[in-house]
Amino acid sequence: SQTIHQWPATLVQPVGSPLSLECTVEGTSNPNLYWYRQAAGRGLQLLFYSVGIGQISSEVPQNLSASRPQDRQFILSSKKLLLSDSGFYLCAWSFLGTAPNTEAFFGQGTRLTVV
Amino acid sequence: GNSVTQMEGPVTLSEEAFLTINCTYTATGYPSLFWYVQYPGEGLQLLLKATKADDKGSNKGFEATYRKETTSFHLEKGSVQVSDSAVYFCALSVPGFSGGYNKLIFGAGTRLAVHP
Repeated sequence: SQTIHQWPATLVQPVGSPLSLECTVEGTSNPNLYWYRQAAGRGLQLLFYSVGIGQISSEVPQNLSASRPQDRQFILSSKKLLLSDSGFYLCAWSFLGTAPNTEAFFGQGTRLTVV
Repeated sequence: GNSVTQMEGPVTLSEEAFLTINCTYTATGYPSLFWYVQYPGEGLQLLLKATKADDKGSNKGFEATYRKETTSFHLEKGSVQVSDSAVYFCALSVPGFSGGYNKLIFGAGTRLAVHP
């Protein structure tokens, strides 16, 4: 069976500090990978997606970046955090392809507080 | 564009009460529809889904029917339990902007609190 691991679970970082959140998937190959952000009282917004190693795309301009150094590893980074980067970050994966009924499987999330 | 609108919460119910959480959507084409649940401090779990008009998704006593004519996917449960307390997200799946992937478009979420 497939599992997804995301860490750390919580993080408090000062403004201007760097960020690295990591996500790994087990039990499947060539997954689509996603980073979502959930701001307080709001729904989830897709930040980045990846359909393969080294292939990263973003749908919204922002202070963050993502990388996929290995097939099942997805990293969310920032060089200098802003207060507005605070939120709940969720990594997700789906099977490769675009069948419309393809669901996404989510990690446990990282609660980031920038102070 | 594509969007999902959910009823605002919190929804507070007594145990064994009937639950309805409204969800309507706007989409081009024929999206798949999902309900996800988020328990406190955790990520999202798929609760149920429906892939075409008139499909009914069901799981753990929850049901939702894909209504194309009203563009709705309301979540219902006949008798809620304290353990159902969570945030519920309605979502639709559409092809990504650049192709090659699907993205989920979520509603804002509805918090449900069930009291004994």
